[in-house]
Amino acid sequence: AQKITQTQPGMFVQEKEAVTLDCTYDTSDPSYGLFWYKQPSSGEMIFLIYQGSYDQQNATEGRYSLNFQKARKSANLVISASQLGDSAMYFCAMREGDDYKLSFGAGTTVTVRA
Amino acid sequence: GAGVSQSPRYKVAKRGQDVALRCDPISGHVSLFWYQQALGQGPEFLTYFQNEAQLDKSGLPSDRFFAERPEGSVSTLKIQRTQQEDSAVYLCASSLGGTLGGYGYTFGSGTRLTVV
Repeated sequence: AQKITQTQPGMFVQEKEAVTLDCTYDTSDPSYGLFWYKQPSSGEMIFLIYQGSYDQQNATEGRYSLNFQKARKSANLVISASQLGDSAMYFCAMREGDDYKLSFGAGTTVTVRA
Repeated sequence: GAGVSQSPRYKVAKRGQDVALRCDPISGHVSLFWYQQALGQGPEFLTYFQNEAQLDKSGLPSDRFFAERPEGSVSTLKIQRTQQEDSAVYLCASSLGGTLGGYGYTFGSGTRLTVV
């Protein structure tokens, strides 16, 4: 079974608007971490934001915020005030318990239009 | 160096050829990971090192894949007798922690392998 599901293969957003990228996850471990990465065409995976399963508040990092709904097992990424440089592939990932590896979703391509 | 360095950036191999992909992690990073990313997909875990010890190789798809990190720094992923299905981007990541996974990962830019 897929541990991370990203149902939006591609999205277009107008510059300066906000965009929400969906991510649902599946785990039975009460302790887990959720991550979002950005992968531009250069190929490097760039860490954006992290949410721990026991964190009481939604994570925020600059223009990035994570809408964490634990009961629904969703961890959507919100990018506010989109910029042309935000055009990239975005991946949601999860680490479970004491495991050291990440499980990634299939990604969502975001294209920001001027 | 400041980041994780991978070489070569691009590799074209003829089917059946052996290849070696290099990863130079951030100095002092204990943990090193290899991931395989097929076109249009998310990365898939291949193997994990803590210093020179390979603690998990459960993601290696076949015995044609071999990874080493003999001195606990630079790592090499070797693929023998390459097949077309090996075509992918191979990403290396390192982190400072021992078993702390994910948080604190730094990824390299990857090696894009094309088998023809």
